[in-house]
Amino acid sequence: AQSVTQLGSHVSVSEGALVLLRCNYSSSVPPYLFWYVQYPNQGLQLLLKYTSAATLVKGINGFEAEFKKSETSFHLTKPSAHMSDAAEYFCAVSDGEEKLTFGTGTRLTIIP
Amino acid sequence: KAGVTQTPRYLIKTRGQQVTLSCSPISGHRSVSWYQQTPGQGLQFLFEYFSETQRNKGNFPGRFSGRQFSNSRSEMNVSTLELGDSALYLCASSPTGGITYNEQFFGPGTRLTVL
Repeated sequence: AQSVTQLGSHVSVSEGALVLLRCNYSSSVPPYLFWYVQYPNQGLQLLLKYTSAATLVKGINGFEAEFKKSETSFHLTKPSAHMSDAAEYFCAVSDGEEKLTFGTGTRLTIIP
Repeated sequence: KAGVTQTPRYLIKTRGQQVTLSCSPISGHRSVSWYQQTPGQGLQFLFEYFSETQRNKGNFPGRFSGRQFSNSRSEMNVSTLELGDSALYLCASSPTGGITYNEQFFGPGTRLTVL
């Protein structure tokens, strides 16, 4: 069974600092990997997705993630945090079907 | 294009009752998936419908059911509600029709509170 592990349920960074949210996956087949963001009282918005076309994936709002097969990781980064980035972030995996398995989420707090 | 819409947005029910939630996918999307989000269990996949057929199913009891109509709109039903069914129920649609994975677009969710 596929799974993803997000290290750190809460991450705090200063405004302008690097954002790094960690995600490791476990999959027996080449996975499809995703990062979603959820703002309070809203649904999930796709930030970016990995579908084997390129290992470095650029998403919306300045976020990017690198797929590292040797480390089974798909960490999310942003060079400079903005106050509007405060939200909960979810890593998810799929084997190609319309069925996502989500991590437990990381709540990102931005310190002014 | 309008996004995924879910109705109602908020719902309060009592134990033992049943509830029906509705989801209208993005125009042209044929796949609709449902997820349950709770603080304790996180985001969990309930089921997915494509062309009026359930194509994937998560590990939920039979009290949770769903259906999809010919216009791709979907409903999910929870019978004999329990306190633990209190959650945010998210619907997602996808333009899938072939073997290539398509991203899922989520609605704002229906927050169900069971008293």
